[in-house]
Amino acid sequence: NAGVTQTPKFQVLKTGQSMTLQCAQDMNHEYMSWYRQDPGMGLRLIHYSVGAGITDQGEVPNGYNVSRSTTEDFPLRLLSAAPSQTSVYFCASSYSGMGGYTFGSGTRLTVV
Amino acid sequence: AQSVTQPDIHITVSEGASLELRCNYSYGATPYLFWYVQSPGQGLQLLLKYFSGDTLVQGIKGFEAEFKRSQSSFNLRKPSVHWSDAAEYFCAVGGDDKIIFGKGTRLHILP
Repeated sequence: NAGVTQTPKFQVLKTGQSMTLQCAQDMNHEYMSWYRQDPGMGLRLIHYSVGAGITDQGEVPNGYNVSRSTTEDFPLRLLSAAPSQTSVYFCASSYSGMGGYTFGSGTRLTVV
Repeated sequence: AQSVTQPDIHITVSEGASLELRCNYSYGATPYLFWYVQSPGQGLQLLLKYFSGDTLVQGIKGFEAEFKRSQSSFNLRKPSVHWSDAAEYFCAVGGDDKIIFGKGTRLHILP
């Protein structure tokens, strides 16, 4: 039981490049979310999903796309990276909202 | 709209002293409420949660929190802090589909 696995742990991108942050969970959780963490801003919700095939926007969705083709995986895509997307990204999953979310270890992304 | 306010950005307490971290929220229905802790360079760990029942909830590491519906608050407390409690603490609110976080309170411990 690996929990929530995020890859890569570190990434440097050039402005305009695209990439996908991977998130996988092996707990059969229906609910999954992506957050970004910036100093002084806490964690802000980017996108979330309540099950395979269902996604919705969070607080800061611009510049990011998601899809949920399976229960296990919830990748986050940056289509054209910008320096403002430099951040630490966390993926989280939950069996039910009341149980709380389990977080991955994060991806530190730098856009230059 | 959902929102979470943690009024204190930084709090400093002496080791052995009591602690209270404040959290106020805005939510349309009875929310699920959480406190998470993050040590430097680490991920987030769930300290405790409230979703119904007894309004005083116990968590890990000796922490507790009290849900006060009339004040829309969910403050975190600990009777006696240890140096290892130095970290950033996040309050979160939500429902089944998603949760959102406050901006966090960084706790500093004086020896």
